[in-house]
Amino acid sequence: AQSVTQPDIHITVSEGASLELRCNYSYGATPYLFWYVQSPGQGLQLLLKYFSGDTLVQGIKGFEAEFKRSQSSFNLRKPSVHWSDAAEYFCAVGLNAGNNRKLIWGLGTSLAVNP
Amino acid sequence: DTEVTQTPKHLVMGMTNKKSLKCEQHMGHRAMYWYKQKAKKPPELMFVYSYEKLSINESVPSRFSPECPNSSLLNLHLHALQPEDSALYLCASSPMDRGLQAFFGQGTRLTVV
Repeated sequence: AQSVTQPDIHITVSEGASLELRCNYSYGATPYLFWYVQSPGQGLQLLLKYFSGDTLVQGIKGFEAEFKRSQSSFNLRKPSVHWSDAAEYFCAVGLNAGNNRKLIWGLGTSLAVNP
Repeated sequence: DTEVTQTPKHLVMGMTNKKSLKCEQHMGHRAMYWYKQKAKKPPELMFVYSYEKLSINESVPSRFSPECPNSSLLNLHLHALQPEDSALYLCASSPMDRGLQAFFGQGTRLTVV
């Protein structure tokens, strides 16, 4: 069965420090992979996506992610975190099989940023 | 226009009330979704419409009734809800290709009293 694992429930970093959020997936075919961010009480905003091609993808707000097929991973990175990056981050895999179209979500990683 | 608009933003309803949540998009997406989200949890899929037809119902109780009047609109009709139904309800849309890249609305914060 398809699944997404985000091993870190909560991460705290200092402002200006680098960040890596982990995501591992289980999916039989080539995955469609996404990272979304959610600020409190808000909807989900797409940070970046991987469909095919270059395995290092750039997103909004200075984020990037690298798809590693051998490790079934799609980790999110940012070289220097800003206080406004504090939010909930969700990794997701797109399942597209006939009428079965949906996203499979990880449980999320809550990011806190210390000043 | 890359927005999904949801109304209302906040809703308080009693357990005997009937209310509706509305969602609108003008990106030409032919897949639309309703999700329910509790605090600090991932969104839970409720319904999927593909080409205005219900394609997925994730065993949602009948007190939630979706409707897709046209390719731009999606409604969620609520009746006889329970306090545990209080949550953030999110609407999303996606093109039928491009790997299910979903665009989300800001959500309706529903409180059932």
